[in-house]
Amino acid sequence: AQRVTQPEKLLSVFKGAPVELKCNYSYSGSPELFWYVQYSRQRLQLLLRHISRESIKGFTADLNKGETSFHLKKPFAQEEDSAMYYCALRVDTGRRALTFGSGTRLQVQP
Amino acid sequence: NAGVTQTPKFQVLKTGQSMTLQCAQDMNHNSMYWYRQDPGMGLRLIYYSASEGTTDKGEVPNGYNVSRLNKREFSLRLESAAPSQTSVYFCASKDPGDTEAFFGQGTRLTVV
Repeated sequence: AQRVTQPEKLLSVFKGAPVELKCNYSYSGSPELFWYVQYSRQRLQLLLRHISRESIKGFTADLNKGETSFHLKKPFAQEEDSAMYYCALRVDTGRRALTFGSGTRLQVQP
Repeated sequence: NAGVTQTPKFQVLKTGQSMTLQCAQDMNHNSMYWYRQDPGMGLRLIYYSASEGTTDKGEVPNGYNVSRLNKREFSLRLESAAPSQTSVYFCASKDPGDTEAFFGQGTRLTVV
């Protein structure tokens, strides 16, 4: 079965510092990878997906199949980036439900 | 522009009580999902429904039942609540061809 690992429960950085939230996955096939974000008192929402290869709110993530990783990066953190971040995986079979990591809380201090 | 709506937002139950969590979506999506979110464990799939009238078990289905009576609504029922079911419950929906899943705001359930 597939699995997503986010090793850090909490990541605290200062405003303007670079951010990297780690995500590793295990799946033998070719999954779709996503980052979802949950701001305080808001619903979980999609931040970005690997197939789009886009930058959203300054965040990027590159799928590294060799290392089975999908780390989320931003060069200069902003206070409004403080939120809970979840890495998620979806396989191309069956129910196509998301498998989530345990999440990383990003705290950006002024 | 409601998206996915869950009711109630908060609920406290006594052990052994029953209740139904409601979820409705207005995006005409075929697939709907129920997840639970526990500290340190992320979201885990309880049940899902690929289309109206069909349901299937997810990762943690024990103690729950679901109903997909129409395309809009997907309810989750706890027949006899247990403290282990204290959690935040999220409903989500998506179209088969869409990569993005849309989530409700969650229901915080406490079983005492």
